Amino acid sequence: DTGVSQDPRHKITKRGQNVTFRCDPISEHNRLYWYRQTLGQGPEFLTYFQNEAQLEKSRLLSDRFSAERPKGSFSTLEIQRTEQGDSAMYLCASSSSKMGYEQYFGPGTRLTVT
Amino acid sequence: GQQVMQIPQYQHVQEGEDFTTYCNSSTTLSNIQWYKQRPGGHPVFLIQLVKSGEVKKQKRLTFQFGEAKKNSSLHITATQTTDVGTYFCAGVGGTSYGKLTFGQGTILTVHP
Repeated sequence: DTGVSQDPRHKITKRGQNVTFRCDPISEHNRLYWYRQTLGQGPEFLTYFQNEAQLEKSRLLSDRFSAERPKGSFSTLEIQRTEQGDSAMYLCASSSSKMGYEQYFGPGTRLTVT
Repeated sequence: GQQVMQIPQYQHVQEGEDFTTYCNSSTTLSNIQWYKQRPGGHPVFLIQLVKSGEVKKQKRLTFQFGEAKKNSSLHITATQTTDVGTYFCAGVGGTSYGKLTFGQGTILTVHP
């Protein structure tokens, strides 16, 4: 078990560009979550997948954000037309519905929009 | 929407002193979880509390879930320098399975 992995670890982009992040959950985990964390705050929920189905999406998530989990394994999070306010750490977590709700977080992707 | 408040925001202690952080939810929770995040790291799961009034211990750490399932606390006895980090509570509401609502966290500094 290699844990949750995320790629890239760091991303610097110019305002207006599109970015895509990838998350590989723990292999047997059917649930996958995306969170956003800014300095001094707790992680903020963005969206949730059970297998390949996106079951919940935060109302705070603008239309510029989209996430997929096409085969119920890895997931991607895309941000279109990035804004400076999108600068944050994007965390992915996974869990197993057989083991309760405890979530295992990846190392995160730190996005800086200049 | 559901809000989770955590106090204090910062806590500085001398090594060997005790530490407590408190968490309050605006709504009744189905369960509450606690995570620790080291500086520069990611949140790491510590424990989950499900039952009203539940108390769980992990070595020097004691976790409590309130009778009304709206508040929780984490108490560390005789802190060590390895306890340094930010401690988050995170609530799962009754209508949102899996989704965690995190508190702002308590940053613990331990002076040797």
